Amino acid sequence: QVQLQQWGAGLLKSSETLSLTCAVYGGSFSGYSWSWIRQPPGKGLEWIGEINHSGSTNYSPSLKSRVTISVDTSKSQFSLNLNSLTAADTAVYYCARSDDLGLLDSWGQGTLVTVSS
Amino acid sequence: QLVLTQSPSASASLGASVKVTCALSSGHSSYAIAWHQQQPEKGPRFLMKLNSAGSHTKGDGIPDRFSGSSSGAERYLTISSLQSEDEADYYCQTWGTGIEVFGGGTKLTVL
Repeated sequence: QVQLQQWGAGLLKSSETLSLTCAVYGGSFSGYSWSWIRQPPGKGLEWIGEINHSGSTNYSPSLKSRVTISVDTSKSQFSLNLNSLTAADTAVYYCARSDDLGLLDSWGQGTLVTVSS
Repeated sequence: QLVLTQSPSASASLGASVKVTCALSSGHSSYAIAWHQQQPEKGPRFLMKLNSAGSHTKGDGIPDRFSGSSSGAERYLTISSLQSEDEADYYCQTWGTGIEVFGGGTKLTVL
C-alpha cells in the first residue's frame, strides 16, 4: 500500500519561496504521475501541478509563472517550489498520486504553509 | 472547458441514504472521475474511481456503504446507512487536457 509523506517549512514571509518535498513509500514510482494540490483556509481544493517519473510537467495556468515541480526518481521523491509568495498563498499543501487517467488515488498528510507580511 | 459542478450542501438522517452528484460539463460526459472525502480538520481521503458506465473501484478500507453510479454526464456517490463520521466534504475530481479539475465540494450534514 502506497504512502506519501511530505515535509517543508510552514512559516514564510512575503516574497519568499515555498519548498516542499514528498516521499513515496511502498509502491511503484514510475507508473504514475505526482501532483501538488492546495487548500486555502475554509475553501476548496486547488490543483497546482504534476510531474511524471521522466520529469514531464503540467502546471495550473494561474500559478504557472511561479511554480516549479521536480522529481528525484532515485529517492522516489518529488518537490514543489512556489516563489514570490503572498498572503494569498497561505494554505494547506498536499501531495498526491494520480493514475494513467489522471485520477488521484492517494494523498499525503498535508502541510500548513502560512505566509506573513 | 472542463468543469465539475457539485451542489454546495446535502443532508440526511443518521441511518438513511444520501446521493451526492457531480455533473460534468458539456462534451465531457465520457470522463471518469474520482471521489474524495474530507472529514473536518483532516486531509482528503480517496474513496473511489468511477467511470461513465458506472463501474467503480474503491480505495483500501472503504466500507461497502459507499458506492458509485453514473447517468449521462452525472456521476453519483451514494452513502447508505449513514453514520456520524460520514459528515464531511465530498469532492469529485477528474483530468483533462493537461490539468486536474476539482468540483467545488459538497458539504454533507448527518442529522
